[in-house]
Amino acid sequence: EDQVTQSPEALRLQEGESSSLNCSYTVSGLRGLFWYRQDPGKGPEFLFTLYSAGEEKEKERLKATLTKKESFLHITAPKPEDSATYLCAVHNTDKLIFGTGTRLQVFP
Amino acid sequence: DGGITQSPKYLFRKEGQNVTLSCEQNLNHDAMYWYRQDPGQGLRLIYYSQIVNDFQKGDIAEGYSVSREKKESFPLTVTSAQKNPTAFYLCASSITGVDEKLFFGSGTQLSVL
Repeated sequence: EDQVTQSPEALRLQEGESSSLNCSYTVSGLRGLFWYRQDPGKGPEFLFTLYSAGEEKEKERLKATLTKKESFLHITAPKPEDSATYLCAVHNTDKLIFGTGTRLQVFP
Repeated sequence: DGGITQSPKYLFRKEGQNVTLSCEQNLNHDAMYWYRQDPGQGLRLIYYSQIVNDFQKGDIAEGYSVSREKKESFPLTVTSAQKNPTAFYLCASSITGVDEKLFFGSGTQLSVL
């Protein structure tokens, strides 16, 4: 069965303390992996799409990487405004499968 | 500014009542989607539509209905057959299909009285 697992469920970081969020997947035929950011009570906002192993994309303090089994979202020197839930979604041959998210809190 | 507008932000349903959630987009996107979000679970697809007057069931369509009479609009009705409707409902759109990035609305929180 196709599955997407995100870890950790929650992460607390001090401002400036870099870390990584993990999204591991088992799907039959990866056609794309997506990262979204979701603030409380809001809809998710698109961050990145990755299509093949070895691909990397960056945006400000965020960098997403992809292997054949997992993706990492690296957060460098995070700020309190980076606090949010980060969702991973994988597109297999016919649908999008979402993980349960990692809730990130960055405190001053 | 282009985007997706969901209304209302909060909605309360009485037992036996049907309620309708509104979703409008001005992005000129062909594809529109309804997702349900519950605490501790990933987003689950209810219905999707890739063209006007056509839509398909997602993974959890039972107890829900939709229509797509206009490209801009994709309302979701939560019927009385949906026994556990309390959730955060998200409408989304993409240019043509699910292999592209999704643009989400701000969501509707539905609760049962």
